[in-house]
Amino acid sequence: AQSVTQLGSHVSVSEGALVLLRCNYSSSVPPYLFWYVQYPNQGLQLLLKYTSAATLVKGINGFEAEFKKSETSFHLTKPSAHMSDAAEYFCAVSARGTGFQKLVFGTGTRLLVSP
Amino acid sequence: DAGITQSPRYKITETGRQVTLMCHQTWSHSYMFWYRQDLGHGLRLIYYSAAADITDKGEVPDGYVVSRSKTENFPLTLESATRSQTSVYFCASSEGQGGMNTEAFFGQGTRLTVV
Repeated sequence: AQSVTQLGSHVSVSEGALVLLRCNYSSSVPPYLFWYVQYPNQGLQLLLKYTSAATLVKGINGFEAEFKKSETSFHLTKPSAHMSDAAEYFCAVSARGTGFQKLVFGTGTRLLVSP
Repeated sequence: DAGITQSPRYKITETGRQVTLMCHQTWSHSYMFWYRQDLGHGLRLIYYSAAADITDKGEVPDGYVVSRSKTENFPLTLESATRSQTSVYFCASSEGQGGMNTEAFFGQGTRLTVV
């Protein structure tokens, strides 16, 4: 079975500071890993996904994440936060070869960006 | 408009009433999904459908019914609403089952309150 743990339900940063959102996964088979963003009153939007190609995955809006098998982690980073990055971020995992019906979401991390 | 739309966006209903949440997508995606989003739980899959007339249970199906007579529509019905079904409901669709080159697209959500 797959699961993800997102450390920190809330993360606060200043505008221009590094953004680091943590995600650790558990999977008995090689996983696919995803980061989704949810802006206020909107649905989820895919930021990036890892599907076994490069371990450093670049996504939209300047975000990237690195797959570290030894640490079972897939942390999301952005070098410089913008006010527009304030949103909720979800990490998700599925086993390779399975469908979205097997996608397991974390509990989410709300990113707060202050001026 | 192209995309995936949910209606209504907000709904208040009374305990015991039947309520139907609508989901419509214009891409002719094969797969459609219903999730509920609750604090501390992230998103959990209620039901999904692989094609018209093919549906299957997800993680939390009890108290819900779905149908899919047409590819583009995937309504979710709460047969007798309970307060525990107060939640934000998201519909999603995807072209494929969830491999490397597929992506799930989410609607804007329906906020349901059962009083």
